[in-house]
Amino acid sequence: KQEVTQIPAALSVPEGENLVLNCSFTDSAIYNLQWFRQDPGKGLTSLLLIQSSQREQTSGRLNASLDKSSGRSTLYIAASQPGDSATYLCAVRSGGGADGLTFGKGTHLIIQP
Amino acid sequence: DTEVTQTPKHLVMGMTNKKSLKCEQHMGHRAMYWYKQKAKKPPELMFVYSYEKLSINESVPSRFSPECPNSSLLNLHLHALQPEDSALYLCASSRGLADPREQYFGPGTRLTVT
Repeated sequence: KQEVTQIPAALSVPEGENLVLNCSFTDSAIYNLQWFRQDPGKGLTSLLLIQSSQREQTSGRLNASLDKSSGRSTLYIAASQPGDSATYLCAVRSGGGADGLTFGKGTHLIIQP
Repeated sequence: DTEVTQTPKHLVMGMTNKKSLKCEQHMGHRAMYWYKQKAKKPPELMFVYSYEKLSINESVPSRFSPECPNSSLLNLHLHALQPEDSALYLCASSRGLADPREQYFGPGTRLTVT
């Protein structure tokens, strides 16, 4: 059974810093990996999707990498802003056609003004 | 339009009530999903529909009954729920199960069972 772990569970940094969130998964047979953002009490906003054949994806100040063989992904946030404060969730879609996503527990990020 | 809509936003129901949650998308997606998210926990998959047919039921109790009337609409019928069923219920859609594209999530329905 696929398990997804995110480190750290919580992170608080001053505005302007670059930061890295980590995600690991136990079964490397994945179709894709998605990073989401969730604000308190809200739904999920998709940030980046990396297909299993890709190594990284970029969107604005966000860069996500994937090392499928080692079961790891990182989300890099450049020049952090207070508006980046949220919980960041990593999710993988595993093998087989009829699969939903398996989520990590998330990293709760606070950017101090 | 990359939007998944869910109604209602909030729902309070008693343990003897019958209610339904509704999810809608107009992106032409053929796979739709229900997830349950308890407070401070990650979302957990409940059901997957592919081409309006149920393809996954993750051992969800029968008091939750999904329905997919057409390719754009997904319902979750609720009956005789327990207080521990209080959670955020999230709907998602994707292009298709055989096409590993991203899943788009709705804003969720916050359910409280009293």
